[in-house]
Amino acid sequence: AQKITQTQPGMFVQEKEAVTLDCTYDTSDQSYGLFWYKQPSSGEMIFLIYQGSYDEQNATEGRYSLNFQKARKSANLVISASQLGDSAMYFCAMRETNSGYALNFGKGTSLLVTP
Amino acid sequence: DSGVTQTPKHLITATGQRVTLRCSPRSGDLSVYWYQQSLDQGLQFLIQYYNGEERAKGNILERFSAQQFPDLHSELNLSSLELGDSALYFCASSGFGGASPTDTQYFGPGTRLTVL
Repeated sequence: AQKITQTQPGMFVQEKEAVTLDCTYDTSDQSYGLFWYKQPSSGEMIFLIYQGSYDEQNATEGRYSLNFQKARKSANLVISASQLGDSAMYFCAMRETNSGYALNFGKGTSLLVTP
Repeated sequence: DSGVTQTPKHLITATGQRVTLRCSPRSGDLSVYWYQQSLDQGLQFLIQYYNGEERAKGNILERFSAQQFPDLHSELNLSSLELGDSALYFCASSGFGGASPTDTQYFGPGTRLTVL
């Protein structure tokens, strides 16, 4: 069964606008971590932000914030004030305590920021 | 720059051949993970090493093997290569190798393998 679901294959946003990339997850573990990575066209995987399952506050890192709704099992990435350089693939991933700590990735969302 | 290095950046080889991909983790990181990214399978975890010992195995084929050396660099060996092995292979490293589920993995730039 798919552990991480990203339902938006592609998204468009205008420069300077905010955008939300959706991610839902499936786990029976109480302790887990949720991560977002960015993959530009050059191919590298860039870590953006993480949220621990016990963290009560939503994580923020600069223009990135994670909208964590534990009961709904969602961990949406919000990018504020989009820039042209934000155009990339975005992957949501989960790390579970009982699964050897490997990252389970979603299929990704392709974000295109337009002028 | 994540601090994780991978060589080579690109590799082109023929079916049936064997190749070795190399990874150096970030300074101080004890754990190394290998992932494969292909168009049809997405990003898949292959194997994890922690301080020289194998810690976890994912969807790694028997034709593939890995090891982590005393200086903590790691090598992924792919043998009897098939066309379907063409993919981007990532190495990632983390500090604690799993003591916390939020132990962040930092990825190298990847090795793009093309099997002709």
